[in-house]
Amino acid sequence: QSVLTQPPSVSGAPGQRVTISCTGSSSNIGAGYDVQWYQQLPGTAPKLLIYGNSNRPSGVPDRFSGSKSGTSASLAITGLQAEDEAAYYCQSYDSSLSGYVVFGGGTKLTVL
Amino acid sequence: EVQLVESGGGLVQPGGSLRLSCAASGFTFISYAMSWVRQAPGKGLDWVSSISGSGDTTYYADSVKGRFTISRDNSKHTLYLQMNSLRAEDTAVYYCAKPLFGSSYDAFHIWGQGTMVTVSS
Repeated sequence: QSVLTQPPSVSGAPGQRVTISCTGSSSNIGAGYDVQWYQQLPGTAPKLLIYGNSNRPSGVPDRFSGSKSGTSASLAITGLQAEDEAAYYCQSYDSSLSGYVVFGGGTKLTVL
Repeated sequence: EVQLVESGGGLVQPGGSLRLSCAASGFTFISYAMSWVRQAPGKGLDWVSSISGSGDTTYYADSVKGRFTISRDNSKHTLYLQMNSLRAEDTAVYYCAKPLFGSSYDAFHIWGQGTMVTVSS
């Protein structure tokens, strides 16, 4: 059971907009810790998509955007493309004793 | 070019030990905290451990505390993970990761290709 909760799967047609939610609690996202998002294509290492809740590293298309509110965060992907089909993970930090870096369970995005 | 290359994975029996290495290049190694993140087959990402740039502060997930030891040799630009008392549930691809800006509370920006650890009799 992951500390951060994501839907197991989402889907959308090419060109559409999809969002992926990441729900935490008062000890992680709600405590003010930043949220990151990673994309993982099959058989490859994860790639940083969003850092600091809503910032994109150099080279990440502006089709990807992040937001945070209260104890939750969201990743939005607009103009969906076939190459966006991947697993997406949110990540934050937690002030509880069980560890300080926490990941969501991951969401598999299918482009229809 | 910033690069991380892991090595040291393999097949080990339950209760055995293994040491992973991560060779870093293309950046000022001592200026960056470093981390290990693992991924069991077909599962999600699971943070294992982090270490400060100087090496004097370490963090561990509860699941590995007391069994795994993270360390670094800044003169060799290399990160290590000593894994003892290995269990079947430690079977995973182990990635080393470099943060975006340097601190331990920072996004994992650069990832290695991963090294597979299989714990089985």
